[in-house]
Amino acid sequence: AQSVTQLDSHVSVSEGTPVLLRCNYSSSYSPSLFWYVQHPNKGLQLLLKYTSAATLVKGINGFEAEFKKSETSFHLTKPSAHMSDAAEYFCVVSDNSGNTPLVFGKGTRLSVIA
Amino acid sequence: GAGVSQSPRYKVTKRGQDVALRCDPISGHVSLYWYRQALGQGPEFLTYFNYEAQQDKSGLPNDRFSAERPEGSISTLTIQRTEQRDSAMYRCASSLGSGRSTYNEQFFGPGTRLTVL
Repeated sequence: AQSVTQLDSHVSVSEGTPVLLRCNYSSSYSPSLFWYVQHPNKGLQLLLKYTSAATLVKGINGFEAEFKKSETSFHLTKPSAHMSDAAEYFCVVSDNSGNTPLVFGKGTRLSVIA
Repeated sequence: GAGVSQSPRYKVTKRGQDVALRCDPISGHVSLYWYRQALGQGPEFLTYFNYEAQQDKSGLPNDRFSAERPEGSISTLTIQRTEQRDSAMYRCASSLGSGRSTYNEQFFGPGTRLTVL
């Protein structure tokens, strides 16, 4: 069985300051890990993915995540928050076999204060 | 269009009615997934297809829920005798391949928001 735990339901940062959204995973297999973003009234968009290549993954809009097997973590970071980053972020796990359902965390709502 | 489309975008129905939600995947995508997202939660898996074959329906909550993809393209999720607890956003996703050795990104549609009164 696989699961993800997003440690914060809501994170608030000031514009221009770093962003850290925390995620821990549990998987019986070598996992694939993702971060998706959902802006209000919009669909889910893939930010970045880890699929057993480089452990530091770069995504769109300046976001990065680092896969740490020893800590079973896949935290999402960005050096400097922008107002447009305000959205809901989901950490997601699936097994590494290709076409399998995604298992989503409960989400972290990111607020960016001017 | 280029992306996954879903219809209707919004559906309001009375308790006890049947509803059918449609998903039109990206052309040529082999796999199609249905997820349900309650307010304030992440999407939860319902069922998925490779071509027309339903591979896994373990996420369907009860036998009022069913899905089909008869020609391996468009899929319909049907909820019979709707209840208020069925109110949620229903999301569809599709991915290119069915190979087990390569990750295939899932592309999500905009969702159908179902409200059962």
